[in-house]
Amino acid sequence: QKEVEQNSGPLSVPEGAIASLNCTYSDRGSQSFFWYRQYSGKSPELIMFIYSNGDKEDGRFTAQLNKASQYVSLLIRDSQPSDSATYLCAVTRGSTLGRLYFGRGTQLTVWP
Amino acid sequence: KAGVTQTPRYLIKTRGQQVTLSCSPISGHRSVSWYQQTPGQGLQFLFEYFSETQRNKGNFPGRFSGRQFSNSRSEMNVSTLELGDSALYLCASRGQEGSEAFFGQGTRLTVV
Repeated sequence: QKEVEQNSGPLSVPEGAIASLNCTYSDRGSQSFFWYRQYSGKSPELIMFIYSNGDKEDGRFTAQLNKASQYVSLLIRDSQPSDSATYLCAVTRGSTLGRLYFGRGTQLTVWP
Repeated sequence: KAGVTQTPRYLIKTRGQQVTLSCSPISGHRSVSWYQQTPGQGLQFLFEYFSETQRNKGNFPGRFSGRQFSNSRSEMNVSTLELGDSALYLCASRGQEGSEAFFGQGTRLTVV
């Protein structure tokens, strides 16, 4: 079982819709959870992080964490074509806090 | 505040050569980690340095090495390059364990 798994996608939504990206992780000792956005040919850009169970909102983005079920999700409201990118889920584990474990990413396309 | 700076941005090397990549973290950040990104394998962890000490290491052969200097700048070296080493090499810096990691623009290495 992979450390971090994401819905494989690709995901395609119309402009203005809600995009839902999901991620599950295998290690219950995982402590910190991050969402990165990566445009084609660019490096990952941090868009959200969450440490505690529940929801965290930042503008059009909401991260949701459920440690009991070992999943973290990212909702993008009012999706825009500029949101089209690959979204990477990453977690840290208690034993190796300096290391990020990444999922393979979900490619999102927002069409006008 | 300046971001993470990686040099060079692009590099073309021949099989069998060696290469050194450089990373300057965000000012005040003491943790620097390195990742390799390829289309087939996604983001893979190479190693992490903190205060000049390697704290974590991924599953890469000994041809891949790194170091960190007293000013937190880090270098990674790949010796005896192979075609499969062609990838985007990313450096990330963070201020504290488990906190957000910020990526540099990456070095795209092509081995011919």
